[in-house]
Amino acid sequence: KNEVEQSPQNLTAQEGEFITINCSYSVGISALHWLQQHPGGGIVSLFMLSSGKKKHGRLIATINIQEKHSSLHITASHPRDSAVYICAVRNPNFGNEKLTFGTGTRLTIIP
Amino acid sequence: EAQVTQNPRYLITVTGKKLTVTCSQNMNHEYMSWYRQDPGLGLRQIYYSMNVEVTDKGDVPEGYKVSRKEKRNFPLILESPSPNQTSLYFCASSSRGYQPQHFGDGTRLSIL
Repeated sequence: KNEVEQSPQNLTAQEGEFITINCSYSVGISALHWLQQHPGGGIVSLFMLSSGKKKHGRLIATINIQEKHSSLHITASHPRDSAVYICAVRNPNFGNEKLTFGTGTRLTIIP
Repeated sequence: EAQVTQNPRYLITVTGKKLTVTCSQNMNHEYMSWYRQDPGLGLRQIYYSMNVEVTDKGDVPEGYKVSRKEKRNFPLILESPSPNQTSLYFCASSSRGYQPQHFGDGTRLSIL
């Protein structure tokens, strides 16, 4: 079993829909990251959080440490949100700031 | 502009021909790391560096070498590339202390 599991693997939605992507992890962590990878391949860090909730524009990330679960929400989705969203956790038992990644959720927003 | 720069972006080469992928960051970050991304496996760490002259293995270091002689540069060296090293490679950097990692644009390597 992977240490970081994301669901769904693929998600197709209509423009304007509310999107939720889930991430569950099985190890203790010091922080959780949400990353966005566009079709061109580049990776951008969206959020880093260790508790509670963060919001940036139409994106909201939440984390429940006790349940080892995080969600990424997109409100009023737009075709430009189409990308692969990757959850990654930082394990506090390693000294190296290492990230362990989920395999990503491919989001497609149809106009 | 703060950035992590990788070169080349694309490379097709043959088995056994030594190659180097360069990575440079202009943010004075202490921490740098190399990852490879393969379908169905996600990103996996190859090597990392906590600071100049301090490097260590990640999860999949076999067949790779790195060096950190200067703070800004962290090249990835494939001494004798093999087809199973065909992959998409990312360099990343960050400050210490639970800061977001900044990623380069990726290098797509094809080893024939």
